[in-house]
Amino acid sequence: QVQLQESGPGLVKPSQTLSLTCSVSGGSISSGGYQWTWIRQHPGEGLEWIGNIYYSGSTYYNPSLKSRVTISLDSSKTQFSLNLRSVTAADTAIYYCAREKIAFRSEIFDSWGQGTLVTVSS
Amino acid sequence: DIQMTQSPSTLSASVGDRVTITCRASQSISSSLAWYQQKPGKAPKLLIDKPSSLESGVPSSFSGSGSGTEFTLTINSLQPDDFATYYCQQYNSYPRTFGQGTKVEIK
Repeated sequence: QVQLQESGPGLVKPSQTLSLTCSVSGGSISSGGYQWTWIRQHPGEGLEWIGNIYYSGSTYYNPSLKSRVTISLDSSKTQFSLNLRSVTAADTAIYYCAREKIAFRSEIFDSWGQGTLVTVSS
Repeated sequence: DIQMTQSPSTLSASVGDRVTITCRASQSISSSLAWYQQKPGKAPKLLIDKPSSLESGVPSSFSGSGSGTEFTLTINSLQPDDFATYYCQQYNSYPRTFGQGTKVEIK
């Protein structure tokens, strides 16, 4: 059973870059059929899709964040990462990594990390 | 972007009640909809896809229906473990978008 685990700093200063890594165990990022995704949740609010990456390296980003976001695969093929540049307090949120399973007429988030709170503050 | 609107935002109910949550899409998404359950401090959990296929292990008290722009999640005979926040999500197009959530709380 695949497991995902986010890691990275819990505190980032305004204007700096938020960098998170998602470690994947029990499954391979290198196989097709899945898109590796970042989703965030502002405190007490709903869910916002940030973007995803396929094992080939192709990416999709939320247009609202596209100018500041990069999602990449680690060369080890067991991790993928999120970089969010020029952060402000509005980027304070719980960040989740998730696996989006691609099947016939279905693309669902079937596995999630536990989430990590990132606070943007000086 | 496709906007997903859930109603109600909060629902107060008792154990044993039947509850229905509605999700409306700003344009047709065919059957490209999933429902998630989230409990405090936890990641969302997939409940239903396409939008009437229950995930493995999800109680049969949950059911989903709809297509196009209007969808419903129904919980028959609400159990204590069902008090949570529920989100709909469309995967018809990018960016993926979620409803704002419906909190099911104890009456």
